[in-house]
Amino acid sequence: DQQVKQNSPSLSVQEGRISILNCDYTNSMFDYFLWYKKYPAEGPTFLISISSIKDKNEDGRFTVFLNKSAKHLSLHIVPSQPGDSAVYFCAASGRDSNSGYALNFGKGTSLLVTP
Amino acid sequence: GAVVSQHPSRVICKSGTSVKIECRSLDFQATTMFWYRQFPKKSLMLMATSNEGSKATYEQGVEKDKFLINHASLTLSTLTVTSAHPEDSSFYICSATRGAGYGYTFGSGTRLTVV
Repeated sequence: DQQVKQNSPSLSVQEGRISILNCDYTNSMFDYFLWYKKYPAEGPTFLISISSIKDKNEDGRFTVFLNKSAKHLSLHIVPSQPGDSAVYFCAASGRDSNSGYALNFGKGTSLLVTP
Repeated sequence: GAVVSQHPSRVICKSGTSVKIECRSLDFQATTMFWYRQFPKKSLMLMATSNEGSKATYEQGVEKDKFLINHASLTLSTLTVTSAHPEDSSFYICSATRGAGYGYTFGSGTRLTVV
């Protein structure tokens, strides 16, 4: 049962514009959310996180917004650069996980930033 | 800081043989390590959680006799794929954490091909 959902498998954005990647979750016990970036044949690299006590966290070009009532979060990349082209995974964790604080991942969104 | 080394990065083995994948935390003590498997176009699926010195907790559907996990020290966890078959071919990724609130660090992954 997919508890973290990224409904857009791919997204194409022009360089310099904003990329918005969306993520929905179903488990109300999740209290920590992360975004990872992944290049082919590599492990995911951490981008940015947000805890459930906040609704926004910003780090340079990357901003994550959390809407707890809607169980929705989004990652904004402004301005988008060709090097941002990768697969972005949304992940969530919470105390009720049978596996401690293991991450629940979405299926990923493949972002392509075109020059 | 917080570096996780995963080895080997690629391995090709014959059907019926066993393969061991190592995951090491280089500069921190990992109380918990996680093993994930990624299928093409799918999310990272948690296979098991291992805490140092205790038996791993396997997710539903993961055969513990086939995927042997050992977490003998605070810096090393191993995943052994026993009697590998072509359907075990996949990308395996480990991650490690010091504990709740410390975040997760991922290894670079291992591409296993069983021929």
